[in-house]
Amino acid sequence: GNSVTQMEGPVTLSEEAFLTINCTYTATGYPSLFWYVQYPGEGLQLLLKATKADDKGSNKGFEATYRKETTSFHLEKGSVQVSDSAVYFCALSDPGNTGKLIFGQGTTLQVKP
Amino acid sequence: DAEITQSPRHKITETGRQVTLACHQTWNHNNMFWYRQDLGHGLRLIHYSYGVHDTNKGEVSDGYSVSRSNTEDLPLTLESAASSQTSVYFCASSLVRTGFNEQFFGPGTRLTVL
Repeated sequence: GNSVTQMEGPVTLSEEAFLTINCTYTATGYPSLFWYVQYPGEGLQLLLKATKADDKGSNKGFEATYRKETTSFHLEKGSVQVSDSAVYFCALSDPGNTGKLIFGQGTTLQVKP
Repeated sequence: DAEITQSPRHKITETGRQVTLACHQTWNHNNMFWYRQDLGHGLRLIHYSYGVHDTNKGEVSDGYSVSRSNTEDLPLTLESAASSQTSVYFCASSLVRTGFNEQFFGPGTRLTVL
């Protein structure tokens, strides 16, 4: 079936460190891929997306590239800030066009000053 | 600005009681979804709806029900609350079902069942 696997957290970094959160997926067909971010006490909001292979999504200094050959969509940021502390979810769109999203388990990022 | 709201934000109830969580969106989206968020499980889909009078079961629908009488609202009902239903509940909506089907999320309801 379709699924998303994220690296386990929590991830603790110092400010200005480089961030990578790994995400791999299993899917039939060609899903769209998403990263959502959840700040403390809030709902999820879309961080970036990619709709086809080799697409690079980017927003707020974060980037992720849709890699079909490795079925991955790793999230990266060159220099994290304390304000980036949040839970990050990788997700894919159900290839059956049901409108459903399939989420990974989430990775908590804590950035220390 | 269009938005999606949930109420209440926090709820404490007792085992066996019926509880209804409200979700209201002003995006005019046809598609609406209910998730629960638990540590180690990410978000799991409870129920979803593609439009008025349409409802569908998600992967963890036992003990929950929804009804859709208009485009804006999709209330979630716990028929007889159980301690295993203590969780954070999120409502979401989307415009399309295909391709780039971004979902917009509400702020969540934290439910505690004692």
